[in-house]
Amino acid sequence: AQKITQTQPGMFVQEKEAVTLDCTYDTSDQSYGLFWYKQPSSGEMIFLIYQGSYDEQNATEGRYSLNFQKARKSANLVISASQLGDSAMYFCAMREGPGNTGKLIFGQGTTLQVKP
Amino acid sequence: GAVVSQHPSRVICKSGTSVKIECRSLDFQATTMFWYRQFPKQSLMLMATSNEGSKATYEQGVEKDKFLINHASLTLSTLTVTSAHPEDSSFYICSATGLASADTQYFGPGTRLTVL
Repeated sequence: AQKITQTQPGMFVQEKEAVTLDCTYDTSDQSYGLFWYKQPSSGEMIFLIYQGSYDEQNATEGRYSLNFQKARKSANLVISASQLGDSAMYFCAMREGPGNTGKLIFGQGTTLQVKP
Repeated sequence: GAVVSQHPSRVICKSGTSVKIECRSLDFQATTMFWYRQFPKQSLMLMATSNEGSKATYEQGVEKDKFLINHASLTLSTLTVTSAHPEDSSFYICSATGLASADTQYFGPGTRLTVL
């Protein structure tokens, strides 16, 4: 069974608008971490935002926020005020278990295109 | 954030040769490094996890004799693709995490391997 599911293969958004990228996960662990990474065409993986399973508040990093709904097992990424440079592939990932040495399981990715 | 480098960024080799890819954590001690493989427009697939000073743990289906991983120091891990064949052509990305990098894995820029 898929542990991380990103149901949107591709998304379009108008420049300066907000966009939500969906991510659902499946785990029986109580302690886990959720991540979002951005991968531009150059291939590098850029860390965007992290949410721990015990964090009560949604994580925010600049224009990025993570809408964490634990009961629904969803961790959607919200990008506000989209910029042309936001065009890239976005991956949601989960680390099961506590600590930071656990492996990451990635979703299929969502390609975001920002229109001028 | 923490910086991870990879070398080389691109390599083209003949079938049957071996290729070594280096992954370095530049400003932190990486107790654990991960090696991923990514095919075009697909997600990252974890190949193996390496902890400094111990043998790597390979994911199911990954040939450990073909993909040799060494993590000899807290700042360097190497992946050697032995007797490379065209089907080994792919994008290889490493990530690193350590005690000081909180809950985040930091990724290298990736190495694009083309086997002729």
